Amino acid sequence: AQTVTQSQPEMSVQEAETVTLSCTYDTSESNYYLFWYKQPPSRQMILVIRQEAYKQQNATENRFSVNFQKAAKSFSLKISDSQLGDTAMYFCAFLPNFGNEKLTFGTGTRLTIIP
Amino acid sequence: DTEVTQTPKHLVMGMTNKKSLKCEQHMGHRAMYWYKQKAKKPPELMFVYSYEKLSINESVPSRFSPECPNSSLLNLHLHALQPEDSALYLCASSQAGTSGGPGNEQFFGPGTRLTVL
Repeated sequence: AQTVTQSQPEMSVQEAETVTLSCTYDTSESNYYLFWYKQPPSRQMILVIRQEAYKQQNATENRFSVNFQKAAKSFSLKISDSQLGDTAMYFCAFLPNFGNEKLTFGTGTRLTIIP
Repeated sequence: DTEVTQTPKHLVMGMTNKKSLKCEQHMGHRAMYWYKQKAKKPPELMFVYSYEKLSINESVPSRFSPECPNSSLLNLHLHALQPEDSALYLCASSQAGTSGGPGNEQFFGPGTRLTVL
């Protein structure tokens, strides 16, 4: 079974600053996907970024980037030039690649961007 | 269309009522999911349908009954619920199977906020 750990229950940062959310996971699988989902107070869960485990290059999406360390089983999310709209709950999630649609979520990090 | 829709947005029901939650997607996805989410917690998987067949049932009480009439629709029938069942119910969809593709990422709907009195 897979586990996903987010050790920062809450974080806050000033607008325009950079913030990094941490995520570690444990698995015996060699092929898998990792995701960061954002859930604003409006509650809709939105995919922020995806990383395939077989790719060494870290994924980036505009102001969002990840630091994927496969050997260390670490998958942190960096948000650059943070904006008020980034205020949300952020969930790290793990998905095995083959034949299993069960997504394992971390406990989440509540991020607040301060004006 | 990359949207998953859910109705109703809010639902208040008594413990003796029967109600249904509905979910729809038109992305051609063949896997659909029901999650239950309590405040400040991650979503908990309840059911997975793959190619309209129930593939995962996370030992959910029988007062929750899922139904997948076709590949675009997913229902959750509710009967004799308890106050502790009050939560946000999320529907999601994704590609299915073992091909991997773009990661089988799940697209979530906005949820139904359920209150059981």
